[in-house]
Amino acid sequence: KAGVTQTPRYLIKTRGQQVTLSCSPISGHRSVSWYQQTPGQGLQFLFEYFSETQRNKGNFPGRFSGRQFSNSRSEMNVSTLELGDSALYLCASSSVGPRASGNTIYFGEGSWLTVV
Amino acid sequence: AQTVTQSQPEMSVQEAETVTLSCTYDTSESDYYLFWYKQPPSRQMILVIRQEAYKQQNATENRFSVNFQKAAKSFSLKISDSQLGDAAMYFCAYRRATSGTYKYIFGTGTRLKVLA
Repeated sequence: KAGVTQTPRYLIKTRGQQVTLSCSPISGHRSVSWYQQTPGQGLQFLFEYFSETQRNKGNFPGRFSGRQFSNSRSEMNVSTLELGDSALYLCASSSVGPRASGNTIYFGEGSWLTVV
Repeated sequence: AQTVTQSQPEMSVQEAETVTLSCTYDTSESDYYLFWYKQPPSRQMILVIRQEAYKQQNATENRFSVNFQKAAKSFSLKISDSQLGDAAMYFCAYRRATSGTYKYIFGTGTRLKVLA
């Protein structure tokens, strides 16, 4: 069974540009969540989706947005990039909705974003 | 707000020896999950072990075990018979059980070095 797939793995963008990152969850998984990992702030929750609906959002500016498609694939978008957006963006998926107890999320390898 | 604290930025262990990584957390919730994730140089987060707060018995997965002290809000990870492949960043994480969210709160991580 294929794991969580994130594309692209590495990218370099210029300040002011926008970027879209993609996440394909494990087959059959319907929940997708996103995290930002930086040396200074560690791992921080961005948002999560279940059945195309955003269920929760972290404390990030409106420049960070996301969506989930009917096939459970998810994208996140960052507009007007800033140097501080340079980070590893991790996607995770789970098989059922978050109200199901005892379920665990599985992470992808992440997308490395460098803003110059 | 919930917080997770890992007070050991870096630890070293001799191959085949035992090491314990510390984690404390703060929450007013009574029902939650605690996790240890391993992040090797590939950067993919790998679940090591999970503990449900309502279970008094400490979780065990092969060479990995936890010491869960609910009253003290402590959740340490013990790695027995350490192997070179155990070298990685280890993150302690918390998730509420009843909020209907997969939002995880992570500690800042402990870098584990395994000496041959």
